[in-house]
Amino acid sequence: DADVTQTPRNRITKTGKRIMLECSQTKGHDRMYWYRQDPGLGLRLIYYSFDVKDINKGEISDGYSVSRQAQAKFSLSLESAIPNQTALYFCATSDLGTGIGGTQYFGPGTRLTVL
Amino acid sequence: AQSVTQPDIHITVSEGASLELRCNYSYGATPYLFWYVQSPGQGLQLLLKYFSGDTLVQGIKGFEAEFKRSQSSFNLRKPSVHWSDAAEYFCAVGRRSGGGADGLTFGKGTHLIIQP
Repeated sequence: DADVTQTPRNRITKTGKRIMLECSQTKGHDRMYWYRQDPGLGLRLIYYSFDVKDINKGEISDGYSVSRQAQAKFSLSLESAIPNQTALYFCATSDLGTGIGGTQYFGPGTRLTVL
Repeated sequence: AQSVTQPDIHITVSEGASLELRCNYSYGATPYLFWYVQSPGQGLQLLLKYFSGDTLVQGIKGFEAEFKRSQSSFNLRKPSVHWSDAAEYFCAVGRRSGGGADGLTFGKGTHLIIQP
């Protein structure tokens, strides 16, 4: 969905490097999410944000941090990347708050490889 | 905590045959339930969702799913599959939060293969 964009789309980095993945949305949604996808494990929630001042940890937040710079922008950082953080990362937004009922819309994903 | 089980890692179906993908969930209240599809190299697309009301939910691309509270299931069905349906399918459950779904818990996915 072009309304949710992620940059970069692919990134290769080395162990110990700091990495930031960015997500922008034009849907006007308040809620934004970061997930990682690993083969055979499905998607797992890393962090989510209900608005600019509200950040919440998901089930696998260790080793990650986030920043909600504005309603439309939600960044995920790996302060010191390690190989087991190699995964496909998805950003999502939710229309909760508009009365529609909480459907999440996903970006195209960022493939991160940590060597 | 909620959880989702998709018992079938892979399913192979002949083109034109019917399809049923299984999903069982664990949640302490009435859940919000979703099915997403992921085509190779793509993001996730919502097929359908259940929030309340009619337990048989119609989605896009000819898919439907039925919520069965007694069985804690939300199985996805399609009467006749097309080769373009080959993809990874994810069932997800969302916590009810302020009138909508909170961060989703996903199953591990079912990989659908379509035989000619």
